[in-house]
Amino acid sequence: QQQVKQSPQSLIVQKGGISIINCAYENTAFDYFPWYQQFPGKGPALLIAIRPDVSEKKEGRFTISFNKSAKQFSLHIMDSQPGDSATYFCAPSEGKLTFGQGTILTVHP
Amino acid sequence: EAGVAQSPRYKIIEKRQSVAFWCNPISGHATLYWYQQILGQGPKLLIQFQNNGVVDDSQLPKDRFSAERLKGVDSTLKIQPAKLEDSAVYLCASSLAHDSGANVLTFGAGSRLTVL
Repeated sequence: QQQVKQSPQSLIVQKGGISIINCAYENTAFDYFPWYQQFPGKGPALLIAIRPDVSEKKEGRFTISFNKSAKQFSLHIMDSQPGDSATYFCAPSEGKLTFGQGTILTVHP
Repeated sequence: EAGVAQSPRYKIIEKRQSVAFWCNPISGHATLYWYQQILGQGPKLLIQFQNNGVVDDSQLPKDRFSAERLKGVDSTLKIQPAKLEDSAVYLCASSLAHDSGANVLTFGAGSRLTVL
C-alpha cells in the first residue's frame, strides 16, 4: 500500500465549505481511479470513479480531478455537509484495488 | 437488492484460538473478495474468488488463514490459530465480474475481530 499515498490524513471543514483530498500513486499501470466512502461501522462504498482518458468527472457535489503526468488524482466535495463526515479512500486499480490509508473528513455544522 | 451479508458482526477471542467468518454475497455476483482492515488503515485484499475458484490469494497468510467458497455462493474465512495482530475488521465484498478495476465492489458491514 506504500505505492498509494493520501493526504491529508484528516480534514475539518465548515458546512458549506470545499473539501479536497489528494491521492498520489506510483504504479503507471493503474487504469481505474475510484474514491470510496466509509461511515463508522459500515463497509466502504463507491462514491465516484474516473478513467484516465478524462481529466475531470463531476457527479453532483463530488468531482474527481485527474493529473496523469503528475500521477495524482483528487476528490473535491463542494458545499460540504455534516452528512459527508466519513473516511474517504482512494483505491486506484490495474485489475485489483489498492487502497490508500484513508482521510477522515469532519464537517462542522 | 439485498446487500452483502456478513456474520458475526463482532468476535472476541484469545490468541491461539480459532475463528470463522461467513459471507453471503449479492445474488448473481460471481466474484467474492475478503479484505482485512486494520484500524486506521485502508482495506487490504486477502483473497479473491471467481465463482468457487481462487483468483488471487497472494496476501493471504496461508499458515493460519484459510477460505473457501463452496458452490460459488457463500464463503467462509477461517483463522487458526489467531494472533494479536489479526485484530481487525474483515470485510467481504462482491462484484459482477472478475476485474475489480472495472466493476463496482459492494462491501458488507464487516466482522470486527478482537484478539486478546
